[in-house]
Amino acid sequence: DAGITQSPRHKVTETGTPVTLRCHQTENHRYMYWYRQDPGHGLRLIHYSYGVKDTDKGEVSDGYSVSRSKTEDFLLTLESATSSQTSVYFCAITTGWGTEAFFGQGTRLTVV
Amino acid sequence: EDKVVQSPLSLVVHEGDTVTLNCSYEVTNFRSLLWYKQEKKAPTFLFMLTSSGIEKKSGRLSSILDKKELFSILNITATQTGDSAVYLCAGGTSGTYKYIFGTGTRLKVLA
Repeated sequence: DAGITQSPRHKVTETGTPVTLRCHQTENHRYMYWYRQDPGHGLRLIHYSYGVKDTDKGEVSDGYSVSRSKTEDFLLTLESATSSQTSVYFCAITTGWGTEAFFGQGTRLTVV
Repeated sequence: EDKVVQSPLSLVVHEGDTVTLNCSYEVTNFRSLLWYKQEKKAPTFLFMLTSSGIEKKSGRLSSILDKKELFSILNITATQTGDSAVYLCAGGTSGTYKYIFGTGTRLKVLA
């Protein structure tokens, strides 16, 4: 299995509080992604990174920011959590364009 | 707008049956079509098909890619209860780093 670790695995937070999710990889892959998965919507891309300090928005980026200061770590921050951000968040890594993506175990976030 | 559509949304079969899952795609600068199996956790990679590899097989699972008609199918023969899962397909692009996922097909195999 690809070495991807997400933390925390579960989190309950209150509306309006900031939340940071961490994705850590040991594969030295260049590309990292954050997806959210909701019933009826499948996996939707939030942000992705194509190198240290190089990030770009996905299709559902509003309300989220990311940072990548090291190859191995990709952080997703919800600046002010809302109930609509209750979801399961997956991190993924790949070696290049259109190659197989490997996923972390997911973080279940509940905003109350 | 890029999109990937899977059908059926859900399927219930009995052990030993053969199933076919469908995935159609409209993806700009298409490079690859990927299949994943998702149980109650992270998606796990099954196959990747590209213009240089339009048919893949692994045990009871096989997949083909039709680049002319823009679809892929995933076949599972002699199904087992352990095949119960959501099966996802995704289009990978050349020139960007994005993967466009379908909403998945939920397969339930009854003993």
